[in-house]
Amino acid sequence: DAMVIQNPRYQVTQFGKPVTLSCSQTLNHNVMYWYQQKSSQAPKLLFHYYDKDFNNEADTPDNFQSRRPNTSFCFLDIRSPGLGDAAMYLCATSRDRGANEKLFFGSGTQLSVL
Amino acid sequence: DAKTTQPNSMESNEEEPVHLPCNHSTISGTDYIHWYRQLPSQGPEYVIHGLTSNVNNRMASLAIAEDRKSSTLILHRATLRDAAVYYCILRGFDEKAAGNKLTFGGGTRVLVKP
Repeated sequence: DAMVIQNPRYQVTQFGKPVTLSCSQTLNHNVMYWYQQKSSQAPKLLFHYYDKDFNNEADTPDNFQSRRPNTSFCFLDIRSPGLGDAAMYLCATSRDRGANEKLFFGSGTQLSVL
Repeated sequence: DAKTTQPNSMESNEEEPVHLPCNHSTISGTDYIHWYRQLPSQGPEYVIHGLTSNVNNRMASLAIAEDRKSSTLILHRATLRDAAVYYCILRGFDEKAAGNKLTFGGGTRVLVKP
């Protein structure tokens, strides 16, 4: 019954080695978000897609990129992971971008950088 | 984004009500008040949201002050499964972004004692 699915649940990569995290949704929602959550901190928005329109947060490092090939899938690419990029990465969706719209989150991918 | 202020933590006994306060004195007229919770090792989960009137759903109740500068999330009978971090979030139109973002603040860690 999972509606926002993130794979894998745990990902280990090496310092500087590109890594891709994936997210899929069965809700047919227009908006998909990527959040980064470091240990004991609140989730921080990295960027979001409204349909095919990409919206980057001003303080998101260039090292982070995203792709949304179709409505159902969205990918987070980290081009050269550093030790500081170890975190939980959360994907979320919403039907639209209105202020009264709910977000639906996946269970997250825990990324370790060795 | 307008900011919210929440206590860092609260304790409750099982089967007793829990009242979680949130101050948002700089709320604008179009901001919705959202509550999400995050259980350990899970993605955030929508709880409830409202604009001006009090709201009830199967999970909780949301009481909004008449001047909208504060709100209270009410869990009517806390269970051990309600132990989580509860986030109070204002969601409104962000002119710099292409829509309405959901920006997390510090949250309140709720501990439920058996």
